[in-house]
Amino acid sequence: DTEVTQTPKHLVMGMTNKKSLKCEQHMGHRAMYWYKQKAKKPPELMFVYSYEKLSINESVPSRFSPECPNSSLLNLHLHALQPEDSALYLCASSQGSQSSYNEQFFGPGTRLTVL
Amino acid sequence: DAKTTQPNSMESNEEEPVHLPCNHSTISGTDYIHWYRQLPSQGPEYVIHGLTSNVNNRMASLAIAEDRKSSTLILHRATLRDAAVYYCILRFTGTASKLTFGTGTRLQVTL
Repeated sequence: DTEVTQTPKHLVMGMTNKKSLKCEQHMGHRAMYWYKQKAKKPPELMFVYSYEKLSINESVPSRFSPECPNSSLLNLHLHALQPEDSALYLCASSQGSQSSYNEQFFGPGTRLTVL
Repeated sequence: DAKTTQPNSMESNEEEPVHLPCNHSTISGTDYIHWYRQLPSQGPEYVIHGLTSNVNNRMASLAIAEDRKSSTLILHRATLRDAAVYYCILRFTGTASKLTFGTGTRLQVTL
């Protein structure tokens, strides 16, 4: 199984809502990532988890809260988002996070719209 | 951080070879060159990577200049399914977990 799955595919939420994005992989990968991609722009790294510990936070606002409950699961909790946070949120995984050559496997993304 | 420069867009006819260039004149000796592509409405997909030598896999070939200041991704026979944005990315030792995407090249493939 070389797949990264993300749920939901689409999410519409108001600025006062709390929601969560979910990502799952069963490849035994020990590094997992969240990226944000605005329309017609390249993906931008948000967070990196290595062995279930947060290793990189790219100065992401606290209204985005990542969580890695186990080595297969990665969540992104959303609270009090702004309309400019509307984007495609991509999850990825790789065997490890420290190697320069490990490929990252990406999920299809969750398209988030904040009203 | 060393950056990459790619043309914004390229066109190719189906079943013709495609050469996608990437300039990375400030590359460091230990930086790997990675290529990913993103098909419409999908997440990015790994294509190939290399350090110094040319590399081949089932998807593409990567030709790396001798001075490593540029590289070329080669699709030997483009198909309509190869229409995507192709990203050339340098992966730095020490911050290896980062994939810093540039603007990429949008490849259009026509019949």
